[in-house]
Amino acid sequence: AQSVTQLGSHVSVSEGALVLLRCNYSSSVPPYLFWYVQYPNQGLQLLLKYTTGATLVKGINGFEAEFKKSETSFHLTKPSAHMSDAAEYFCAAHSGGYQKVTFGTGTKLQVIP
Amino acid sequence: DSGVTQTPKHLITATGQRVTLRCSPRSGDLSVYWYQQSLDQGLQFLIQYYNGEERAKGNILERFSAQQFPDLHSELNLSSLELGDSALYFCASSVASGSNYGYTFGSGTRLTVV
Repeated sequence: AQSVTQLGSHVSVSEGALVLLRCNYSSSVPPYLFWYVQYPNQGLQLLLKYTTGATLVKGINGFEAEFKKSETSFHLTKPSAHMSDAAEYFCAAHSGGYQKVTFGTGTKLQVIP
Repeated sequence: DSGVTQTPKHLITATGQRVTLRCSPRSGDLSVYWYQQSLDQGLQFLIQYYNGEERAKGNILERFSAQQFPDLHSELNLSSLELGDSALYFCASSVASGSNYGYTFGSGTRLTVV
């Protein structure tokens, strides 16, 4: 069964610093991969997704993620954190077909002024 | 507005009661998924319907049930409520079953059991 691991339930960065949120998946089949963002008191919003093709995926709000098959990773990055990036981020994987999407446990990002 | 509509946004009820949460999927989406989000257990998959039929079951309690109607809206019924059922309940939709396009989430129903 597919599983998704997010390292670090809480990450703090200074405003303007690099954001790096880690995600690893376990599957014998390279899955489709997603990052979602959840702002306080809101639902999850799709940030970016990897299906096939280019391994570096660009999303909304300046975020990007790179699919590394050899490391089974899909880490989320942003060069310069903004206060508005403070939210919870979920990595998710889907193995295709009729399998449901599996979500990681989430990482809360705090941006320090 | 994501296109997925959930009602009500907030619900406060007493233990032992029964409530119904409603979800209207994004136009054109055939699949509906229900998730429970709580502080201690994170985002838990409950159940999925595709075009009116149950497609997958997750960690859904026997006290909970759901259905998807011909117009594709879905309802999640929670009965014999306990304090521990207090959580955010999200509905998500997708075009197909297990879509690789990702899910579109509603803004959730916050259930408080007192």
